[in-house]
Amino acid sequence: SQQGEEDPQALSIQEGENATMNCSYKTSINNLQWYRQNSGRGLVHLILIRSNEREKHSGRLRVTLDTSKKSSSLLITASRAADTASYFCATYSGAGSYQLTFGKGTKLSVIP
Amino acid sequence: DSGVTQTPKHLITATGQRVTLRCSPRSGDLSVYWYQQSLDQGLQFLIQYYNGEERAKGNILERFSAQQFPDLHSELNLSSLELGDSALYFCASSVEEGDYGYTFGSGTRLTVV
Repeated sequence: SQQGEEDPQALSIQEGENATMNCSYKTSINNLQWYRQNSGRGLVHLILIRSNEREKHSGRLRVTLDTSKKSSSLLITASRAADTASYFCATYSGAGSYQLTFGKGTKLSVIP
Repeated sequence: DSGVTQTPKHLITATGQRVTLRCSPRSGDLSVYWYQQSLDQGLQFLIQYYNGEERAKGNILERFSAQQFPDLHSELNLSSLELGDSALYFCASSVEEGDYGYTFGSGTRLTVV
């Protein structure tokens, strides 16, 4: 079953624009992670934000977490054609559950 | 190269057959996870091993089984294959359980005909 739900399901932007993807989840979490998947390939870990953190940056990526609303957002600034991929949020609940639960992803297309 | 090796990359087999997918985790990682990715179900967690022991089971069918060997590589066995088992199967590893990101392999694309 899916814990996280990404929104929108698909997003198309011009190169140089910012892309924002949202993730909502249902149960309390220990951390939330974002992954990128290029078509048909393995997922790549982008960033991990813990439940006691509100914002985290990594290069052109900015992730926010609002545990009161059970939501997170991923912002990619100054997008490039190479950012075209699917982006997934994944949650880790802890408390004896050690595996990540993934959402269905946002498909981002960056048009050159 | 992520450091997680999955073989084979592609597999085409007939219904009713049995296949074995293999995964070598990144060096030093003790935890191995198997996921199935299909268009309609997304990424579904199948099973996790930690240092040779089964730790958690997800939506894994009884026709599927897995194991982790002393050298930490893992195998996922799929038997009595059905058309609906066609999917991408990913292995991921992490250094420890819990609060860590996963490193994914490039996957095995299974097609059942």
